[in-house]
This record gives sequence, structure tokens and C-alpha cells, in this order.
Amino acid sequence: RKEVEQDPGPFNVPEGATVAFNCTYSNSASQSFFWYRQDCRKEPKLLMSVYSSGNEDGRFTAQLNRASQYISLLIRDSKLSDSATYLCVVTPPGRDDKIIFGKGTRLHILP
Amino acid sequence: EPEVTQTPSHQVTQMGQEVILRCVPISNHLYFYWYRQILGQKVEFLVSFYNNEISEKSEIFDDQFSVERPDGSNFTLKIRSTKLEDSAMYFCASSTMTSGEKTQYFGPGTRLLVL
Repeated sequence: RKEVEQDPGPFNVPEGATVAFNCTYSNSASQSFFWYRQDCRKEPKLLMSVYSSGNEDGRFTAQLNRASQYISLLIRDSKLSDSATYLCVVTPPGRDDKIIFGKGTRLHILP
Repeated sequence: EPEVTQTPSHQVTQMGQEVILRCVPISNHLYFYWYRQILGQKVEFLVSFYNNEISEKSEIFDDQFSVERPDGSNFTLKIRSTKLEDSAMYFCASSTMTSGEKTQYFGPGTRLLVL
């Protein structure tokens, strides 16, 4: 099983729709979780951290399910500017100085 | 807003040559990282650096690679005797790692092409 696994997509979604991504991780002792977004040929940028209790930032909601070892990201009322690759990121246990990226899920918002 | 900067933005080199990629991390950050991303593939961890020494490195980071913090602001990645497969985007990142803040902030990257 890969350390961090994501559906590569692409997800083609009409503007205004709700879209959800899942990500699974292999090490049950992983401690920190993040969603980054990456635009084409650009650097990854932090979208949000993922907390055990779940967290929301505007149109974005992140959830963590430790029992099933998956993380989700929900985007409501999607906008054209949400088109990007969404990267699931996990910190291995005891190694806060290293993060492991998933390959990313590509999202295309259609006008 | 403070940001990580990297130079050059693009580098073309001949196979076998040495390249040095430069990064200026965010000024109050203490942890520094290099990652690479081969075209179409995932972002891969290379090395982390803290207190003037390597704290973690991946299996990719072999003797061909070295890192240095030559002064109080720059953080460099040296690739000796470059190979074709070293062609990739190289990202520098930094973080504070204080009070539970683990977020890593990435620079815009250096696109390296080895011919």
C-alpha cells in the first residue's frame, strides 16, 4: 500500500457544484495532515491543516477519519479558480520535519 | 507577507556538470527542506536541515547531493555530476516548527533541465 494514496482524477465539475476528494494513508500512527493545492507548474501552497475534530474554512471542509485512515476535502459552491491539483500531505509519526505528498487529484471546474 | 524565494527560476545544464540551487527561506524559520518533482509525478522529499545539519534525508538524497547554509540567509542544494534523470522542479521550503506550527511554506521552485 502506498504511503499516501489519492484518486488522480481528473474531476470535471460544473461551476457551483460540490466536490469531494478522499485520501488514504498507510501508517496508522501518522500525526499531522494537510491539504495543499498546486497550480500547473507552480509550488504547492497550503490550503488547510486537517484536525481530528474536522475543520472548515469558508467553502472548504476537511475531515479526518483515523479509524479508516482517510482524509477528505469538500469544496462547496466551486469556482473556476478552484481548478488545480489538490495534494494530500501526511507527516510520519515522530518526524515533524518530513512530509509525504500524495500524487494529487486534478480538479477542473467547468464554466 | 514573507515568502521563500529561489534562484534561478530555470537552469539548463549539461550532463555531468555541477549545479547549485539557491533558496532564501522565511527569515524567522528554523527548518529548511528540499523537495523535487519530476514532471507529471508527485512531490518527493529530499532532505531536511536544522541547526546547521541534516535532520532527515530520503533514499534519493545520495552522495551526489549536498546542502549548505553558507550564511544567515541562503540555503543551497548542490547536485554534483548531474544526470538526465535529475531533470525536475526543485522546491525549497521552510517552517518554524514552534508551538505546534508545522506548516511548510514553499518557494516557487527551480526548473532544472539536464541535457
